[in-house]
Amino acid sequence: DAGVIQSPRHEVTEMGQEVTLRCKLISGHNSLFWYRQTMMRGLELLIYFNNNVPIDDSGMPEDRFSAKMPNASFSTLKIQPSEPRDSAVYFCASQPKIRATDTQYFGPGTRLTVL
Amino acid sequence: QQQVKQSPQSLIVQKGGISIINCAYENTAFDYFPWYQQFPGKGPALLIAIRPDVSEKKEGRFTISFNKSAKQFSLHIMDSQPGDSATYFCAARGGGADGLTFGKGTHLIIQP
Repeated sequence: DAGVIQSPRHEVTEMGQEVTLRCKLISGHNSLFWYRQTMMRGLELLIYFNNNVPIDDSGMPEDRFSAKMPNASFSTLKIQPSEPRDSAVYFCASQPKIRATDTQYFGPGTRLTVL
Repeated sequence: QQQVKQSPQSLIVQKGGISIINCAYENTAFDYFPWYQQFPGKGPALLIAIRPDVSEKKEGRFTISFNKSAKQFSLHIMDSQPGDSATYFCAARGGGADGLTFGKGTHLIIQP
């Protein structure tokens, strides 16, 4: 079975540009989490969805960030406009159901560099 | 506010030795404590997890010890191997929150 798929794997863009990160869940999973990893702040939860519905977006840093889940298997994280401090590795994680002991399966990440 | 504190930041262990990484949490509502392993260029992968109703869980060379009263838990890697060299993250979840709260990570190097 394919794991979580993220694209692109690397993105280099200039400040002010729009960036869209994509994530495909593991088939049959109902919950999706977006995390950001930086050296300074470590791994931080940005937002998560259950059954396509956003449950908690309190970790989204600013209005420049938005996330959608247009169908049960796919999600996007958009940054508009991007800034250099947005440079990080962005991970999505797939979980079978919203249950405390369910494992979160992480994708390979998208390394974003904003110049 | 750092809800999960992890130490040490980095650790060097000789092959065959025991690697020990410690975490402490603040939120008593947490009820699930996983450890993740991350290799360079990869996403974190679940290594082992524990619920607070047990004090220890062992899977192969990896053991979690859990002390509920002290709000601490630790990962022990027995007979450490060079292939164990990676970054390890402790995490916690619960109290109505479904996302994981991670520690800052420990960069482990196993010397041959």
